[in-house]
Amino acid sequence: GIQVEQSPPDLILQEGANSTLRCNFSDSVNNLQWFHQNPWGQLINLFYIPSGTKQNGRLSATTVATERYSLLYISSSQTTDSGVYFCAVNQAGTALIFGKGTTLSVSS
Amino acid sequence: EPEVTQTPSHQVTQMGQEVILRCVPISNHLYFYWYRQILGQKVEFLVSFYNNEISEKSEIFDDQFSVERPDGSNFTLKIRSTKLEDSAMYFCAITTGGVNTEAFFGQGTRLTVV
Repeated sequence: GIQVEQSPPDLILQEGANSTLRCNFSDSVNNLQWFHQNPWGQLINLFYIPSGTKQNGRLSATTVATERYSLLYISSSQTTDSGVYFCAVNQAGTALIFGKGTTLSVSS
Repeated sequence: EPEVTQTPSHQVTQMGQEVILRCVPISNHLYFYWYRQILGQKVEFLVSFYNNEISEKSEIFDDQFSVERPDGSNFTLKIRSTKLEDSAMYFCAITTGGVNTEAFFGQGTRLTVV
């Protein structure tokens, strides 16, 4: 099956810093999503981005499907950005497969 | 954004007991999924359900698991004889269109088997 690799596994930032999270996938995909798992365990949708670039406030994402990777940018990080960020992909007719996530800790 | 509500939020059960986890999608969706997340690990796919039948399942979804949509609204996951290793967060998800459209997750049910 398709492999999803996320890097870095852990990231520690000071408030106000910028960061880039990466998601590599081993085969072509029909869908790619980024999620934020908050301290209560909820999976919050950030982006549905099979290709191209999207922005939502301080967050933006870019997927280059032909090169099999996606990037999530967090600018001016805040303590509330802490948590685990997951990338998930699926291929035609199959369910989402998740990467192992990047654990982000933002300190004030 | 579609709402997906799961009940209960937490459940503690004795090993060997049966548990039923429930998912109530607010809108009328056709594609449903169950995922689980063992503490500290990644989210793993269990099963997808479309048009009242299983459309895909993973290796994890063995004979102790079953899914159904008994009343056309609730979507349930049954674990027949729970084991300690079934302790995890279980998520229900829906997609708004076909399988490859955006997925939305419920808040999860934390299952603890003792």
